[in-house]
Amino acid sequence: DSGVTQTPKHLITATGQRVTLRCSPRSGDLSVYWYQQSLDQGLQFLIQYYNGEERAKGNILERFSAQQFPDLHSELNLSSLELGDSALYFCASSFGQGVLRYTFGSGTRLTVV
Amino acid sequence: DAKTTQPNSMESNEEEPVHLPCNHSTISGTDYIHWYRQLPSQGPEYVIHGLTSNVNNRMASLAIAEDRKSSTLILHRATLRDAAVYYCILRDQNSGYALNFGKGTSLLVTP
Repeated sequence: DSGVTQTPKHLITATGQRVTLRCSPRSGDLSVYWYQQSLDQGLQFLIQYYNGEERAKGNILERFSAQQFPDLHSELNLSSLELGDSALYFCASSFGQGVLRYTFGSGTRLTVV
Repeated sequence: DAKTTQPNSMESNEEEPVHLPCNHSTISGTDYIHWYRQLPSQGPEYVIHGLTSNVNNRMASLAIAEDRKSSTLILHRATLRDAAVYYCILRDQNSGYALNFGKGTSLLVTP
């Protein structure tokens, strides 16, 4: 157990639907990062939050959004889902922004049918 | 952050040492060298990082060339559990950006 908890572990949904993925960071960590991993794209950085504020955006689609709550857990919202959104979604946490050691969760496998 | 180059795949026998190379010829003076690995169906996990000097921890050793343009991750005795994709990543110590994972090296360990 890495200390980063992601739920659900698996999710199957239909095209056009909306889902929410949840991440609880390791205790004491203030930064949360979301990554998408599909077979042909590798690990792609989506978005970063630090202590409730958005700090950096990567290759995140407009259909996707995220937030970090006061208790530091984070949610990634994916809407108008397409088949190509099927992927593993990982959350990582770190103590600070410049800290270089990330702890990853075990991921949520999203399948869009 | 500067770019790294790694072989797509490598193979090793169990209980033998493994040397995973990484080239980073455009590394800057403030770039840290990080290694993460991703076991099948799991999230990446931190292995080791360093700036200039060689580093050792319970998982591996990191050997950094004197000019810092290349580095090598050393697994002293490979086990079947070490079969994973290994990522070499550079990141400026002052950067607020997230780690940028490339393709990595897929390590196959055979009994």
